[in-house]
Amino acid sequence: EAQVTQNPRYLITVTGKKLTVTCSQNMNHEYMSWYRQDPGLGLRQIYYSMNVEVTDKGDVPEGYKVSRKEKRNFPLILESPSPNQTSLYFCASSFRGGFNNEQFFGPGTRLTVL
Amino acid sequence: AQSVTQLGSHVSVSEGALVLLRCNYSSSVPPYLFWYVQYPNQGLQLLLKYTSAATLVKGINGFEAEFKKSETSFHLTKPSAHMSDAAEYFCAVSDLEKLTFGTGTRLTIIP
Repeated sequence: EAQVTQNPRYLITVTGKKLTVTCSQNMNHEYMSWYRQDPGLGLRQIYYSMNVEVTDKGDVPEGYKVSRKEKRNFPLILESPSPNQTSLYFCASSFRGGFNNEQFFGPGTRLTVL
Repeated sequence: AQSVTQLGSHVSVSEGALVLLRCNYSSSVPPYLFWYVQYPNQGLQLLLKYTSAATLVKGINGFEAEFKKSETSFHLTKPSAHMSDAAEYFCAVSDLEKLTFGTGTRLTIIP
């Protein structure tokens, strides 16, 4: 089954404790992206990757890191999480970037930072 | 920069009634527009997309949207609401690097 998977689905952590949220897709997609969803703000892009070893900042990159060493994986790293990073995170992928960018989304990771 | 505005953060309709969710866009180039649906505790699922091939776009689950350049709108409609349509709906516009989403409209269906 073609899908985007994220792990963990739920995470409660404390301020300053490094964490990684994994994202993997099995559709051989070139483009991958991370979004955060907050009430009243919709989804905002954190980072994106047009292909392996190519990453760039989105609209809200502060406090986050990413890497794209393999085509299928695009982990999101919070090196020193803070309470304002409490949010619902989605990973997405598409065949390639560009205007006709139909993206497939993972199930989401709900992160709480105490 | 491209953007979309969704009018109405909450919409309630009776089962069997018309569903109308509003989206207006701002774009300096011909836009690629999308509607996504998010069911409770799930990720986003594509409902339909506009890519300039036709102004009336049909999607899944009986939804459709009409692109109106003169009104810069891309409203989502369904003739008859079903209880299973209760969800949050997002309009989005695409540029080369990302989708830019509206703030979402939560649709409630009244039995």
